[in-house]
Amino acid sequence: KNQVEQSPQSLIILEGKNCTLQCNYTVSPFSNLRWYKQDTGRGPVSLTIMTFSENTKSNGRYTATLDADTKQSSLHITASQLSDSASYICVVSAGSNYQLIWGAGTKLIIKP
Amino acid sequence: DAMVIQNPRYQVTQFGKPVTLSCSQTLNHNVMYWYQQKSSQAPKLLFHYYDKDFNNEADTPDNFQSRRPNTSFCFLDIRSPGLGDAAMYLCATSLTYRDRGSNQPQHFGDGTRLSIL
Repeated sequence: KNQVEQSPQSLIILEGKNCTLQCNYTVSPFSNLRWYKQDTGRGPVSLTIMTFSENTKSNGRYTATLDADTKQSSLHITASQLSDSASYICVVSAGSNYQLIWGAGTKLIIKP
Repeated sequence: DAMVIQNPRYQVTQFGKPVTLSCSQTLNHNVMYWYQQKSSQAPKLLFHYYDKDFNNEADTPDNFQSRRPNTSFCFLDIRSPGLGDAAMYLCATSLTYRDRGSNQPQHFGDGTRLSIL
């Protein structure tokens, strides 16, 4: 069964600190892996999309890694800001169609 | 700025009274999607249009319908809303998902939060 699991479920860190969010997936066939940021009451916003051959991709202070062998991805946030408080969702695309397998997300809270 | 716009942001309707949610896009994307998202859950795909071709998810209730009169607009109709239909409804677009377009991101609107009285 295609599944995407994220950890931790929630995380609280102090402003300025770094953090890493995890995503494990069992999706076949694998097409790409996406990280989205969703602010409360808003729609998700795409942070990165990585294909099988990409190990790392950055978007400002966000850096995503992908290990296709172990089927794991991580999202690293550097020098966190209050505006980083949001849910971060890992999404895996199965095949070349529109089928996206969504993780439950990690709720990140940045405290001043 | 090119974007996906959903109206209204908040919608209140009565149990059993039909309601329509709207979505427009200025991205000129081929694909438009409708998702249902309940509190603290991942979005659930209801259906999507690839150009004029409608694609329904197998587990989407018949109570939910959609229309896409042109490239820019897409509507979600809920014929007889029940209490369980209270949720955030998200519209998204993507340029394509076929062939090498499978890596295209989805662009989301900010959603319509539907409440049922």
